[in-house]
Amino acid sequence: DAGVTQSPTHLIKTRGQQVTLRCSPISGHKSVSWYQQVLGQGPQFIFQYYEKEERGRGNFPDRFSARQFPNYSSELNVNALLLGDSALYLCASSLWTGANQPQHFGDGTRLSIL
Amino acid sequence: DQQVKQNSPSLSVQEGRISILNCDYTNSMFDYFLWYKKYPAEGPTFLISISSIKDKNEDGRFTVFLNKSAKHLSLHIVPSQPGDSAVYFCAASAMNRDDKIIFGKGTRLHILP
Repeated sequence: DAGVTQSPTHLIKTRGQQVTLRCSPISGHKSVSWYQQVLGQGPQFIFQYYEKEERGRGNFPDRFSARQFPNYSSELNVNALLLGDSALYLCASSLWTGANQPQHFGDGTRLSIL
Repeated sequence: DQQVKQNSPSLSVQEGRISILNCDYTNSMFDYFLWYKKYPAEGPTFLISISSIKDKNEDGRFTVFLNKSAKHLSLHIVPSQPGDSAVYFCAASAMNRDDKIIFGKGTRLHILP
């Protein structure tokens, strides 16, 4: 069984640009969560989607948005990129919502802002 | 405001000995706790979890202890093996409120030969 896949693996953008990151969950998983991991910190929760609806949102500005498609894949969009958006963006999937559902993480997208 | 704190950035342990990783939390609403392990260039991998109704959960070489009154949990790895060298993240959630999982900054564990 394929794990959580994220694309692209690396991305370089400049300030003010927009970026879209993609995530395919494990087959059968209906919940997708997005995290930002800055160097030296733990993953920070951005969004959770379940059955195509937003179920949770972390403390991130409106420049961050996401959506989930009928096949349960998901996209994270970030507009008006800032230098501080440079980070590893992780996607995690689980069968359904609930912290007691172990989340399976992808290997992340490394985003660098110049 | 760090709600989940891992105060030791790194820890070195001899192979075969016990590794003890510590975690403190400040939010009394947290009722579910998890440990994840992360190798370089890979995403975190779920290790073990514990509900606040328990004070101990064991899975093979891994045991998590929860002390609710002290708002403290620890992960014990016995015996430590070279493949255990990784970054370990403690995480917590208030399941009765929302599904947000709050991670600590992580502790890098080095298993020495």
